[in-house]
Amino acid sequence: EPEVTQTPSHQVTQMGQEVILRCVPISNHLYFYWYRQILGQKVEFLVSFYNNEISEKSEIFDDQFSVERPDGSNFTLKIRSTKLEDSAMYFCASSIYRGSNQPQHFGDGTRLSIL
Amino acid sequence: GESVGLHLPTLSVQEGDNSIINCAYSNSASDYFIWYKQESGKGPQFIIDIRSNMDKRQGQRVTVLLNKTVKHLSLQIAATQPGDSAVYFCAENIGGGADGLTFGKGTHLIIQP
Repeated sequence: EPEVTQTPSHQVTQMGQEVILRCVPISNHLYFYWYRQILGQKVEFLVSFYNNEISEKSEIFDDQFSVERPDGSNFTLKIRSTKLEDSAMYFCASSIYRGSNQPQHFGDGTRLSIL
Repeated sequence: GESVGLHLPTLSVQEGDNSIINCAYSNSASDYFIWYKQESGKGPQFIIDIRSNMDKRQGQRVTVLLNKTVKHLSLQIAATQPGDSAVYFCAENIGGGADGLTFGKGTHLIIQP
């Protein structure tokens, strides 16, 4: 069964450094998403991406965040200047069509630890 | 004040019994709902979904019920197995063109042998 894959599984970064989290969505999916889950808290929506541009973003997704689809398979989340509170699990997801009526399929996440 | 992590409600059932996990949602405009299962160290795994024009949908060993009047969603798992042990989340899409899902806080299902 096709799946969303994320790398790395764990990323440790010094505060203030830039970090890039990588995702390979399911190949025939057109919508891509990033979510985060701070330890012990709910999964929170960050951003959705379609047709090479941001479709929707939450209040969490401020100017330090950016997303990109650099080629035909990868989808990345960049955090420009990391803060301690960015420590969380970051999940990538994809769906065939818009997430308003199609299930989003998630990867196993990247654990980001900011020191 | 200090931010405190969510204390997950826990449901403990005997192996082979049926389990029912409940979820209340707050937005009456929500028109699409999904149940996810999350095992330790893994991402949310899709179980079943339901649209707001339905009140029941069945899958393999799972049934989702939607009561829009009281904004309540439930997931029924028949004949639970050890592999069903996980945290279960309901998620909703608020409609109106929104892409993102709003997740509930989750229920930890424990299967007793």
